[in-house]
Amino acid sequence: LAKTTQPISMDSYEGQEVNITCSHNNIATNDYITWYQQFPSQGPRFIIQGYKTKVTNEVASLFIPADRKSSTLSLPRVSLSDTAVYYCLVGPPGSSASKIIFGSGTRLSIRP
Amino acid sequence: GAVVSQHPSRVICKSGTSVKIECRSLDFQATTMFWYRQFPKQSLMLMATSNEGSKATYEQGVEKDKFLINHASLTLSTLTVTSAHPEDSSFYICSARDRAGEGYNEQFFGPGTRLTVL
Repeated sequence: LAKTTQPISMDSYEGQEVNITCSHNNIATNDYITWYQQFPSQGPRFIIQGYKTKVTNEVASLFIPADRKSSTLSLPRVSLSDTAVYYCLVGPPGSSASKIIFGSGTRLSIRP
Repeated sequence: GAVVSQHPSRVICKSGTSVKIECRSLDFQATTMFWYRQFPKQSLMLMATSNEGSKATYEQGVEKDKFLINHASLTLSTLTVTSAHPEDSSFYICSARDRAGEGYNEQFFGPGTRLTVL
């Protein structure tokens, strides 16, 4: 499983765009990149997943450069409720036995 | 999305007792479920992989005799913390992959169970 590196913490203000970058230099050819969000005392929640270039959903965008050695989660116009820990995960799809190993995550704090 | 529930959400027990935590996939079948433990301000740590109808696979350093896992059906896995001690106090989270959703590495997580051992 590819190891990921993220900033430990980030601060921003309401209405701003927040970009969290994750490094995964040892990503394998068949690995996907997945981001989860976790609020205090809750289980993680799936945000977005991608393989290359750009993926966008109603919550966020995920930018993946051509070499796939990093990825950036972009949260547009954040609000106080976006304060959470964000985890970047890299792993292969397919098998239902694929386990997820969590890194340290990025603690995002949004201020008024 | 698919829903995973856990019961109880919170439990307080005395040292030396055993506690059972249930994890259910409510609207899908899960051949495999995962159990995690999370201490305050730390990341989730994978404890074991629970396979329906077979023995669980434990991660290195996790005592299989202390953390008993039973995955009796495609929608239920249980984690029993035996002879609990204060150091077992933690937030326990389960997750499951939809058996039908083989294409992606997306797992659905339960809301977690807060265990406090006095």
